[in-house]
Amino acid sequence: EAGVAQSPRYKIIEKRQSVAFWCNPISGHATLYWYQQILGQGPKLLIQFQNNGVVDDSQLPKDRFSAERLKGVDSTLKIQPAKLEDSAVYLCASSLLALRDRSYEQYFGPGTRLTVT
Amino acid sequence: AQKVTQAQTEISVVEKEDVTLDCVYETRDTTYYLFWYKQPPSGELVFLIRRNSFDEQNEISGRYSWNFQKSTSSFNFTITASQVVDSAVYFCALSEARVVSLYGQNFVFGPGTRLSVLP
Repeated sequence: EAGVAQSPRYKIIEKRQSVAFWCNPISGHATLYWYQQILGQGPKLLIQFQNNGVVDDSQLPKDRFSAERLKGVDSTLKIQPAKLEDSAVYLCASSLLALRDRSYEQYFGPGTRLTVT
Repeated sequence: AQKVTQAQTEISVVEKEDVTLDCVYETRDTTYYLFWYKQPPSGELVFLIRRNSFDEQNEISGRYSWNFQKSTSSFNFTITASQVVDSAVYFCALSEARVVSLYGQNFVFGPGTRLSVLP
């Protein structure tokens, strides 16, 4: 079974530039997550999708970050404009349908390491 | 608000020693889930275990075991006879129900414990 795919694996940009990350979840997984992991810290949830709808984006800096999952499968996360503090690994994960009282393990992609100079 | 504490930032052991990684959580929910993930040097997070709040049975999987105690809000992870391949950062995570929606979970990771197993 194919795992969660992400691209690119590495990206270096200058501050104020824009960048986009792509994620393809495990087939059949309705819930998709984007996390930001700053070096030395645990992953921080940015946004959670259920099929193509946003379930929770309360921790997404909406002035510069956006995400979409148009057909309920692939997803893209965009940063525009990037700041130095956005340097981190961006992780995508997927799971079976997460309900209010039922949570499942998440399967993670390899991540995209973003460096903002 | 939910919170996960992993007080041990770094642990070093010699191969074949047993090691316990601590995890303490805070939640106001009665229904919640706890997880452990491993992040080896390659960077990809690997799922280890999922436990719901109604199941306090300890679990053993090979050299790994987990001790869940609701009375102390802890979910500790023990590796028996550690090996060099166990060297990684280990994260404890908590998910709880979202009040405002039928779907999704509030999910939070702890800061992680870096385990180094020396040959």
